[in-house]
Amino acid sequence: QQPVQSPQAVILREGEDAVINCSSSKALYSVHWYRQKHGEAPVFLMILLKGGEQKGHDKISASFNEKKQQSSLYLTASQLSYSGTYFCGTENLGTTDSWGKLQFGAGTQVVVTP
Amino acid sequence: EAGVAQSPRYKIIEKRQSVAFWCNPISGHATLYWYQQILGQGPKLLIQFQNNGVVDDSQLPKDRFSAERLKGVDSTLKIQPAKLEDSAVYLCASSYRGYEQYFGPGTRLTVT
Repeated sequence: QQPVQSPQAVILREGEDAVINCSSSKALYSVHWYRQKHGEAPVFLMILLKGGEQKGHDKISASFNEKKQQSSLYLTASQLSYSGTYFCGTENLGTTDSWGKLQFGAGTQVVVTP
Repeated sequence: EAGVAQSPRYKIIEKRQSVAFWCNPISGHATLYWYQQILGQGPKLLIQFQNNGVVDDSQLPKDRFSAERLKGVDSTLKIQPAKLEDSAVYLCASSYRGYEQYFGPGTRLTVT
């Protein structure tokens, strides 16, 4: 089951903050966040694991609510380089022998303007 | 460190023709993934290899798609015969521990 991302798009001025949400109907083991710039490959930003372990990236942070199967990505003091499409990828709890089997959301397009 | 390599970068074929894509993962990465990304959507996992064994191919249209990973390194993805709806970017990714996935530049396939 594909996770649901919101909003679909957001426009920011440099320095503003934004939150992107990712929600799943399944119990999750991990949530991964990627950013894809136009015409390029997705780039790994961070992973949040069940149990609270988190790996961050610069001024981009995230949270993982295990009870609600939700994750939020926080873009703080946005920079022009933050523009791109952000995807969450979810790994369901209970999947064995399939490290990193991700279901990706449809993406959130972020545009940061000067 | 060299990244994930893919070729070709672009391919245009007519429907019912066949096409093959090649991927060379990052050295030492045991897990290899093939994704299909249709314009405006997130990547969709087609097949996942662990070394040279298939871990998951539940979303691979096996009547027309096939993939192999010989010797646990390079991989090829084939479509035969292609349909119009196969037009997409095909992304290869590799991972060392199943955490960070490193994506290649992708192959943009257009089926006319």
